[in-house]
Amino acid sequence: DQQVKQNSPSLSVQEGRISILNCDYTNSMFDYFLWYKKYPAEGPTFLISISSIKDKNEDGRFTVFLNKSAKHLSLHIVPSQPGDSAVYFCAAISSGSARQLTFGSGTQLTVLP
Amino acid sequence: DVKVTQSSRYLVKRTGEKVFLECVQDMDHENMFWYRQDPGLGLRLIYFSYDVKMKEKGDIPEGYSVSREKKERFSLILESASTNQTSMYLCASSLSVAGELFFGEGSRLTVL
Repeated sequence: DQQVKQNSPSLSVQEGRISILNCDYTNSMFDYFLWYKKYPAEGPTFLISISSIKDKNEDGRFTVFLNKSAKHLSLHIVPSQPGDSAVYFCAAISSGSARQLTFGSGTQLTVLP
Repeated sequence: DVKVTQSSRYLVKRTGEKVFLECVQDMDHENMFWYRQDPGLGLRLIYFSYDVKMKEKGDIPEGYSVSREKKERFSLILESASTNQTSMYLCASSLSVAGELFFGEGSRLTVL
């Protein structure tokens, strides 16, 4: 039973265009969401997060949007760069939970030069 | 900078062997985690610990155990390795409950 779903295993985008990575969740108790980025042979690194009291958070080229009614969040990267090519994991947590993040299955983003 | 160090980047073991994966963090974080990453399944939590000598089961604890004798060190133990435990193992730590996880570089284990 996957509580956090990333339905697109891969995405290819041209350099300079927008990349949109999607994530859906089923647990209405989740109130904090994070995106992690992972290069091959490295551990994931934190990218950006959003609390459920917001619907948007922006950090440079990266923006995360949260639609609580649809239980959907998305990560926008504008403009996309070849160095953004990586696996992106969506993660969620409930502040009332036993302190563990639930991760999605990841989306491989490839930015083509 | 936070540093999470995993003792072995690559290991090859035989079925039935006992395997130790060590993880050390240098930022005095309370919480430490062990995940495994498999294609199409993302990161799945095996065990976590929020204090010395405390441990909690994650989503897939079967076949694994952990040890946290010191705050900075969290070990994952495979008592009798099996081929379905071939995977990438990732250790992480965090300061607060909903805080950012800091990951190590991972240990790729192959069980023959």
